[in-house]
Amino acid sequence: DADVTQTPRNRITKTGKRIMLECSQTKGHDRMYWYRQDPGLGLRLIYYSFDVKDINKGEISDGYSVSRQAQAKFSLSLESAIPNQTALYFCATSVGQEYGYTFGSGTRLTVV
Amino acid sequence: GQSLEQPSEVTAVEGAIVQINCTYQTSGFYGLSWYQQHDGGAPTFLSYNALDGLEETGRFSSFLSRSDSYGYLLLQELQMKDSASYFCAVPLRGALTFGSGTRLQVQP
Repeated sequence: DADVTQTPRNRITKTGKRIMLECSQTKGHDRMYWYRQDPGLGLRLIYYSFDVKDINKGEISDGYSVSRQAQAKFSLSLESAIPNQTALYFCATSVGQEYGYTFGSGTRLTVV
Repeated sequence: GQSLEQPSEVTAVEGAIVQINCTYQTSGFYGLSWYQQHDGGAPTFLSYNALDGLEETGRFSSFLSRSDSYGYLLLQELQMKDSASYFCAVPLRGALTFGSGTRLQVQP
């Protein structure tokens, strides 16, 4: 099994729908992150969490919310999806930046 | 705030050496990281530099100069499988901020 599992892998949804992207990790790390990747813009931070009771906004949190259900689970929700949220979404976990982030395989989301 | 600058694209031939530069502007400095991402894949961690100098890991090396706010990733003995995007990253309040990435094309 992968260290970081994201579901679904691909999703097409309609404008205005609520959608949840799920992430689980088996690394036993406390820190988890959600990033969005658009072509030519690299990875942009949406939300991050250092433990179950800690949630922090990132660079582009508007239109998104998160839930840290357990140490191993961190889900991202789009409350009312819009077409410019079409992107590749990555979840990651780490014990610290010096040891690197472990990323999931990504969720490709298309909002039509 | 902070920003990172890296070239958008670099091309090199198989067997050659290539250097990918990254300059950063941060309000505080807590280390420079490098990640590799193949098309359609997830980013993978390559290296981390907290102190000035060169860190070597096999064919890949990473350099940091804190006084110049500059670092680079050096790839030696290039192979076709090294064709990928490479991102430098620095932390902001505990989470990494990534550059826009450098797409490396290795030609035969």
